[in-house]
Amino acid sequence: SQTIHQWPATLVQPVGSPLSLECTVEGTSNPNLYWYRQAAGRGLQLLFYSVGIGQISSEVPQNLSASRPQDRQFILSSKKLLLSDSGFYLCAWSVGLTTGEKLFFGSGTQLSVL
Amino acid sequence: TQLLEQSPQFLSIQEGENLTVYCNSSSVFSSLQWYRQEPGEGPVLLVTVVTGGEVKKLKRLTFQFGDARKDSSLHITAAQPGDTGLYLCSISSGSARQLTFGSGTQLTVLP
Repeated sequence: SQTIHQWPATLVQPVGSPLSLECTVEGTSNPNLYWYRQAAGRGLQLLFYSVGIGQISSEVPQNLSASRPQDRQFILSSKKLLLSDSGFYLCAWSVGLTTGEKLFFGSGTQLSVL
Repeated sequence: TQLLEQSPQFLSIQEGENLTVYCNSSSVFSSLQWYRQEPGEGPVLLVTVVTGGEVKKLKRLTFQFGDARKDSSLHITAAQPGDTGLYLCSISSGSARQLTFGSGTQLTVLP
């Protein structure tokens, strides 16, 4: 069965510090991978998605970047965090390009930038 | 850009009551998904609907896809405290590898 791991679960970082969030998927090959950010109790904003190694699409201009060094590894990074980067970050994967595409989410990282 | 609206934004009911929440799009879409999310966790997929007029049931949850493929509803019968959570809908335009999410309905079921 497929599983998705995302870490850390919580993170408190000072403004201006770097960031690295990691996500790995097991039990599937060539998944589509996604990073979302969610404001408290609200909908999800797509930040990045990737359809293969080294292929990253950015949806929102921002202080963040993403990389996919391996097929099932997706990393979210920042060189210098801003206060506005605080939020709940979710990694997700999916397979298939047909209608009804479904996302499977990790358990999220709660990031607080102080 | 497709807009996806969910209503109500917040809903608080007593255990045993029935409820319906809605998801409406500004344009036609090819498929719609409903997710439930608990605090501090990622959303969990409940159902996908792809056919206009389609109705799917998952225990006490009934999902309906509008005939015009622009709206959907989720009806919960005899709500229980375990149904508490943020209910999100998402739509796919069919060709993109990305989904659009609504802002969610926060449901609280009081014992």
